[in-house]
Amino acid sequence: GNSVTQMEGPVTLSEEAFLTINCTYTATGYPSLFWYVQYPGEGLQLLLKATKADDKGSNKGFEATYRKETTSFHLEKGSVQVSDSAVYFCAPGNQGGKLIFGQGTELSVKP
Amino acid sequence: GAVVSQHPSWVICKSGTSVKIECRSLDFQATTMFWYRQFPKQSLMLMATSNEGSKATYEQGVEKDKFLINHASLTLSTLTVTSAHPEDSSFYICSALAEGVDTQYFGPGTRLTVL
Repeated sequence: GNSVTQMEGPVTLSEEAFLTINCTYTATGYPSLFWYVQYPGEGLQLLLKATKADDKGSNKGFEATYRKETTSFHLEKGSVQVSDSAVYFCAPGNQGGKLIFGQGTELSVKP
Repeated sequence: GAVVSQHPSWVICKSGTSVKIECRSLDFQATTMFWYRQFPKQSLMLMATSNEGSKATYEQGVEKDKFLINHASLTLSTLTVTSAHPEDSSFYICSALAEGVDTQYFGPGTRLTVL
């Protein structure tokens, strides 16, 4: 079955630093790939997604590219803000619309 | 668009009582809803998949008689934690999926504390 490995956290950055959170997956076929963000005490919000190889998902300055050859979907942002502090989950889709969640990566951005 | 609500957002109950959590898709019809449980600092654990008008499919290790799921309409699914005990205290999150769409939209979660 599908599985996903995320970069371990916590990741601590200064404001305006460059962010990369690595995500690699194993999957049968070519699933849709998602990044979700969870702010403290809240549910998950869809951050971005990509549905096929070489697609780039982007939202709020975050980007991730569907890399079939390396089975990766790394999340990047050029300049993080304090308000980006949250837990980020990478998740390939599965049959029936299920998601396979990584362990989550906590990001803390300091002013 | 694609808003999912949960009610209540938090609940405290006594051991042995039952608690019902509602999950609603506000602006779309959800043919499938999912229920997750999340422990502090951990990832989401899928408990069950709920399809409108049919019985829920539970993940291995999840007691179906303990966690009753009903998906009576295309916009509402409920999770009832029966005879709750302190070990059931957790953050419960639902998500909804529209037919033909591959994106799950999540509710804000319900914090359950069992005393």
